[in-house]
Amino acid sequence: EDQVTQSPEALRLQEGESSSLNCSYTVSGLRGLFWYRQDPGKGPEFLFTLYSAGEEKEKERLKATLTKKESFLHITAPKPEDSATYLCAVQLNSGGSNYKLTFGKGTLLTVNP
Amino acid sequence: DTGVSQDPRHKITKRGQNVTFRCDPISEHNRLYWYRQTLGQGPEFLTYFQNEAQLEKSRLLSDRFSAERPKGSFSTLEIQRTEQGDSAMYLCASSFGQGHGYTFGSGTRLTVV
Repeated sequence: EDQVTQSPEALRLQEGESSSLNCSYTVSGLRGLFWYRQDPGKGPEFLFTLYSAGEEKEKERLKATLTKKESFLHITAPKPEDSATYLCAVQLNSGGSNYKLTFGKGTLLTVNP
Repeated sequence: DTGVSQDPRHKITKRGQNVTFRCDPISEHNRLYWYRQTLGQGPEFLTYFQNEAQLEKSRLLSDRFSAERPKGSFSTLEIQRTEQGDSAMYLCASSFGQGHGYTFGSGTRLTVV
């Protein structure tokens, strides 16, 4: 069964303290891996899509990387406004289900001032 | 605002009542998705429309759930005879084509009492 596992479940950082979130996946035929940010009471907000191992994408203080088994979301010098739940999702290549996203449970990030 | 709109934002209903949610996708997006999210979990796929055709329903959707997308525009999700286990955030998303990140709405928070 396809699985997406995110770790840690929760992470508390001081402002300026860089760290990484992990998303490991066991799927057959990865089409794309997606990162979303979700604020309380709101829908997920799209951050990045990664398609192949070795690919990297950056946006402000965030950088996403992809290997054949996992993805990392690196947060450099975070600010309190980066506090949110970060969700990882995979999309498969396989035939009829290549539109579905399978999400992990997310990592709740708290950045203290 | 050209994002995905969902209405209502919050709904409290008594067990056994019927509820209907509406989603207005981004106008040029031909694909529309419904997901459900409970506390501490990632979103779970419910159903998918390409234009007006409903192409897949998750086994999570019992026969009390029905979704429509008349004329390939807005979509409605109806839950009949609500149960406490239906309490969740119902998220709508849209996309154009495949392999692209979805745009999610802010969701409808359903509480069944």
